[in-house]
Amino acid sequence: KNEVEQSPQNLTAQEGEFITINCSYSVGISALHWLQQHPGGGIVSLFMLSSGKKKHGRLIATINIQEKHSSLHITASHPRDSAVYICAVRSIYGATNKLIFGTGTLLAVQP
Amino acid sequence: EPEVTQTPSHQVTQMGQEVILRCVPISNHLYFYWYRQILGQKVEFLVSFYNNEISEKSEIFDDQFSVERPDGSNFTLKIRSTKLEDSAMYFCASSVEKGNEQFFGPGTRLTVL
Repeated sequence: KNEVEQSPQNLTAQEGEFITINCSYSVGISALHWLQQHPGGGIVSLFMLSSGKKKHGRLIATINIQEKHSSLHITASHPRDSAVYICAVRSIYGATNKLIFGTGTLLAVQP
Repeated sequence: EPEVTQTPSHQVTQMGQEVILRCVPISNHLYFYWYRQILGQKVEFLVSFYNNEISEKSEIFDDQFSVERPDGSNFTLKIRSTKLEDSAMYFCASSVEKGNEQFFGPGTRLTVL
């Protein structure tokens, strides 16, 4: 069983729609990251959070530590938001610094 | 804005050859990482490096792999004798401190023929 699960795996939206991508994890964590990967392959860090909520532009990330769940929201989606969105966590066990990645959510925003 | 850079962007090699992938982390960062992503799969941790030594490695990071910080700016990943299954995208990342946000480079696509 994957330690980090994302849903949905694929998402198609119309421009302007509100989008939610979910991430559930099974390990205790010290932090959760949301990352964006474009078709060229490069990875961009969007958020790192350990509690509550963060907002950057049209992106909002929330986390519920008790429920081991995080969501990434995109408001007023645009075709340029089309990418793979990846959730990754850092475990609290063993003084580790490595990230454990989910399989990603492929988002396509159509004009 | 400072960023992590990687060279080359694409490397093609023959099975059994040695390859060196290069990364320049962000200049004031102290922790460095290599991750890989096999086509169609999720990103996997390989190794982390701090204070000129490996601080953590995964089971993937066997004796065929090594990392080095040969000077004050470069961080390299060497694969001694490449195998077909080493074909993947390799990402370098760096962070200011342990536990801080990790910033990723654009990746090197390694193709082993």
